[in-house]
Amino acid sequence: AQKITQTQPGMFVQEKEAVTLDCTYDTSDPSYGLFWYKQPSSGEMIFLIYQGSYDQQNATEGRYSLNFQKARKSANLVISASQLGDSAMYFCAMRPLNQGGKLIFGQGTELSVKP
Amino acid sequence: DAEITQSPRHKITETGRQVTLACHQTWNHNNMFWYRQDLGHGLRLIHYSYGVHDTNKGEVSDGYSVSRSNTEDLPLTLESAASSQTSVYFCASSGGGQGSSGANVLTFGAGSRLTVL
Repeated sequence: AQKITQTQPGMFVQEKEAVTLDCTYDTSDPSYGLFWYKQPSSGEMIFLIYQGSYDQQNATEGRYSLNFQKARKSANLVISASQLGDSAMYFCAMRPLNQGGKLIFGQGTELSVKP
Repeated sequence: DAEITQSPRHKITETGRQVTLACHQTWNHNNMFWYRQDLGHGLRLIHYSYGVHDTNKGEVSDGYSVSRSNTEDLPLTLESAASSQTSVYFCASSGGGQGSSGANVLTFGAGSRLTVL
């Protein structure tokens, strides 16, 4: 079965420090995509970063980077230099092979950034 | 600018009533999706469509239906609303088709909060 697991329901981080949000996935497909979305308290879903299963390098987008470890089936999100505006719910998601845009989501991790 | 809009944003209804949530996108995307968000469950897929007249059941489709008569719209209907369907509903769209690959990013609407009393 294809599944995304986020084991951290909630996390705290001090402003300006880095934080890692964990995500593990389960799939037997050889090709897949991994995504992270941010959901602030206002409720909208904001795309952050994408990693393809065959990408050789870890994806980076500004302060966001994805620590992709294929053998461990993990796709952790690293946020560097945390800001108060980073306080939000974060969702990891996976797109199975040839499934268009259909995503399977994890349960989410609520991140709180302390001043 | 292209966008994806959902209406209504908030709705309160009674058990047994039929409810339709609208989703309209101007991205000209082939793929459209309906998810529901509940605490502790993340987002779960209800129904999805890869093009006009194409609809497919997702993980939690019981009690819901969709139809796709044009590219822009995918309304979600609750035939007989139940309290278990109280949730936040998200519509999303993406380009490509069923066989698309790469970073086909899902673009989400703002969500519709439905309360069934």
